[in-house]
Order: sequence, then C-alpha cells, then structure tokens
Amino acid sequence: ELKVEQNPLFLSMQEGKNYTIYCNYSTTSDRLYWYRQDPGKSLESLFVLLSNGAVKQEGRLMASLDTKARLSTLHITAAVHDLSATYFCAGTFRGSEKLVFGKGMKLTVNP
Amino acid sequence: NAGVMQNPRHLVRRRGQEARLRCSPMKGHSHVYWYRQLPEEGLKFMVYLQKENIIDESGMPKERFSAEFPKEGPSILRIQQVVRGDSAAYFCASSSRGGAAGSYEQYFGPGTRLTVT
Repeated sequence: ELKVEQNPLFLSMQEGKNYTIYCNYSTTSDRLYWYRQDPGKSLESLFVLLSNGAVKQEGRLMASLDTKARLSTLHITAAVHDLSATYFCAGTFRGSEKLVFGKGMKLTVNP
Repeated sequence: NAGVMQNPRHLVRRRGQEARLRCSPMKGHSHVYWYRQLPEEGLKFMVYLQKENIIDESGMPKERFSAEFPKEGPSILRIQQVVRGDSAAYFCASSSRGGAAGSYEQYFGPGTRLTVT
C-alpha cells in the first residue's frame, strides 16, 4: 500500500523561528507536491518537485526532494503568523495520476 | 480565467437521500479528479475522469457512489442513499496533462461540504 507520512502532525512555533517538516513516502515517486490549506478553504499549490535534488523556494518556504531517501522537506524560515495553516504533501506514484496525500501538518505561528 | 468551480458549496441531506455534487474544471482542462476529506484528515482519492471516460475509480466505494464527466457540462459525483459517514468535504481538481513544464499539476476547487443528518 502506498503511504505518505508527514511529521510532525502539529507544530506550534514562535514568529521569527526556523523549522523543517518532513514527508516520507513508501515507494518511488513520480512527482511530489506541497499544498497549503486554510481552515474551511481549498488547497493552494505551493510546490511541485519532479526530480532528485530539486529545490524550490517561495518567500519563507523552501521545499526539497531526495528521491533516494524517499523524503521531501519543507523548510520554514523566520516564520510569520500568516504562515499558520495546514500543510499537506502528496505524491503521484507508478505512473498513476492520483495524488496520495499525507495527513497534513497543522502549523500555528504565535506572534 | 476562472478556476475550478464546484457547487453547491454546502449541502445538507437526510439519511437515505441522494447527493449530487458538481464540478466544472478550469478552461482548457479535460481531466477531473475527485477527493474526499474527512474532518482532521488528509484527502483521499476517489476517481479520475476524462471526458466521457472513467480512467481510475480505485478509490470509489463499491456501492452508492458514482461519477461521470459528460461530453458537455460539469462532472457529477453522485451519492445515493447517503449515510452519516458520507459527511465530508468533497474536492474536485482538474488538470491539463502536459501543462506547464509537464508538471501535470492539479488545481483544486473550493469543495462541497456535505452534511448528512
């Protein structure tokens, strides 16, 4: 069974701090995605990672992919309150188009 | 360019009734995906459709659930004889394969929140 596991599932941090969240998956991925979801809202695409060693940055968020370790990370730099949301990683595997999601990490950034 | 549209946004049904959820993909997209999100959970894949074809329905419950994407009009997810366990948020996504950088990115709609009483 394909599995995408995120940790931690809950994170409370202070503004200005840095943190890395992790996404492990159980088999070779085709593509790895990061999404953000605000309460009661839809999913906003943050990053799509296609190949080993891919690194993408947008503002205070940076995502990377290590296909050999089957690991993606989302690094938060100098967190601000507006980053408070739930962050999902998801992957596509074995030529399938369906996204397999992790359970999500609920981030709270305290002023 | 309008994004993915879903309606209704909120739907309340009594047990045993039918629920119909609609999804209009982004302009130019011919691939539609349905996902279900239970409270405090991640999204679970249900079905992947192209116009007039079901490509992958491996996530669909065997009974009561069906989906279609006709040549004209929106994609429909239909749930017959709803039960309380069907209460969830149902998200539709669309994509255009071979899109920008070949990323096959899926764009999500706002979701339909189904409540079964």
